[in-house]
Amino acid sequence: KNQVEQSPQSLIILEGKNCTLQCNYTVSPFSNLRWYKQDTGRGPVSLTIMTFSENTKSNGRYTATLDADTKQSSLHITASQLSDSASYICGVNGTGGGNKLTFGTGTQLKVEL
Amino acid sequence: EAGVTQSPTHLIKTRGQQATLRCSPISGHTSVYWYQQALGLGLQFLLWYDEGEERNRGNFPPRFSGRQFPNYSSELNVNALELEDSALYLCASSLSWGQNGYTFGSGTRLTVV
Repeated sequence: KNQVEQSPQSLIILEGKNCTLQCNYTVSPFSNLRWYKQDTGRGPVSLTIMTFSENTKSNGRYTATLDADTKQSSLHITASQLSDSASYICGVNGTGGGNKLTFGTGTQLKVEL
Repeated sequence: EAGVTQSPTHLIKTRGQQATLRCSPISGHTSVYWYQQALGLGLQFLLWYDEGEERNRGNFPPRFSGRQFPNYSSELNVNALELEDSALYLCASSLSWGQNGYTFGSGTRLTVV
């Protein structure tokens, strides 16, 4: 069964600190993995898309890594800001289901002063 | 460029009634996806339409149905509403069979009482 698990469930950090969110998946065969940021009551916004051959991809203060062998991905946030407070969701696209994504339940990040 | 638009923003229905949710994709996008996001759960794939055809369906009962119109907009219908159908319903669009990610709308919050 295709599954995506994220950890931690929630995280509180001080503004300016770094943090790393984890995503493990069992989706097979694998096509790509996507990280989204979702503010409360809003739709998810894409941060990065990583394919099988990509190990690291950055988008501003966000850096995603992918290890396709161990089926693990991480999202590192540098120099956090209050506006980073949101849910971060990992979605995995397998090659067998068209463009259907299997999502994790997300990590709820809160950045405090 | 206008993003994915969904209407209504909020919808309150009584158990047993029918709900109709609407989605307008980004101009030029021919694929539309529907996801359900219940409280505490990850996004669950509902339906994928491309070029007017249903391409894939998630593990939801037949009372969840939809269609895509010639202008690529889409409608999700939920019949015989149950309390558990209360959720945020998200629509996303992409280029046909696009593997480069898709863009989500802000969702329709459906509350069944």
